[in-house]
Amino acid sequence: AQRVTQPEKLLSVFKGAPVELKCNYSYSGSPELFWYVQYSRQRLQLLLRHISRESIKGFTADLNKGETSFHLKKPFAQEEDSAMYYCALKGGNTPLVFGKGTRLSVIA
Amino acid sequence: KAGVTQTPRYLIKTRGQQVTLSCSPISGHRSVSWYQQTPGQGLQFLFEYFSETQRNKGNFPGRFSGRQFSNSRSEMNVSTLELGDSALYLCASSLGPGQNTGELFFGEGSRLTVL
Repeated sequence: AQRVTQPEKLLSVFKGAPVELKCNYSYSGSPELFWYVQYSRQRLQLLLRHISRESIKGFTADLNKGETSFHLKKPFAQEEDSAMYYCALKGGNTPLVFGKGTRLSVIA
Repeated sequence: KAGVTQTPRYLIKTRGQQVTLSCSPISGHRSVSWYQQTPGQGLQFLFEYFSETQRNKGNFPGRFSGRQFSNSRSEMNVSTLELGDSALYLCASSLGPGQNTGELFFGEGSRLTVL
């Protein structure tokens, strides 16, 4: 069975500080990992996927198969980064499974 | 392109009633997924449809059902409503199997309150 764990419900950081949102997964095969974001009063949307290995809005995430982790990082947090972040996993023909989410609050 | 459209946006029902929620995917998207979102459990998968066929089903009781029409529009139904069914029900569309299937486009949701 596939599982996604986001250990922090809430993460508060000061503006300009580094951010790391943790995500660990459990899956026996080769998964695809994603980060989704939901800003206040907006739809849930894809932020980035591990396959693309890209940086979106300054965020990056590296898939660590040894530690089964896919942590989301940003070197300098901005107030507009305050949102709910969901890590998600897709394996084969199974549906996309989400973690319970971490609320990031960036304090000015 | 218009985004995923869900109707109704808000509804209030009483225990024992039933409800039908509707979802229109992005034009050209043939796969529709439904999720239940609650503060305590986050997003929990309900169903996934492609070409009018249910491809996957989550761990929900039989009171939860869904279907997809030939135009890719989808509906989900919850019968014999319980207080615990109060949630935001999200619909998401994607191109279909084998095509960026992890990238889902979400609607704004239908917020159901059961009294």
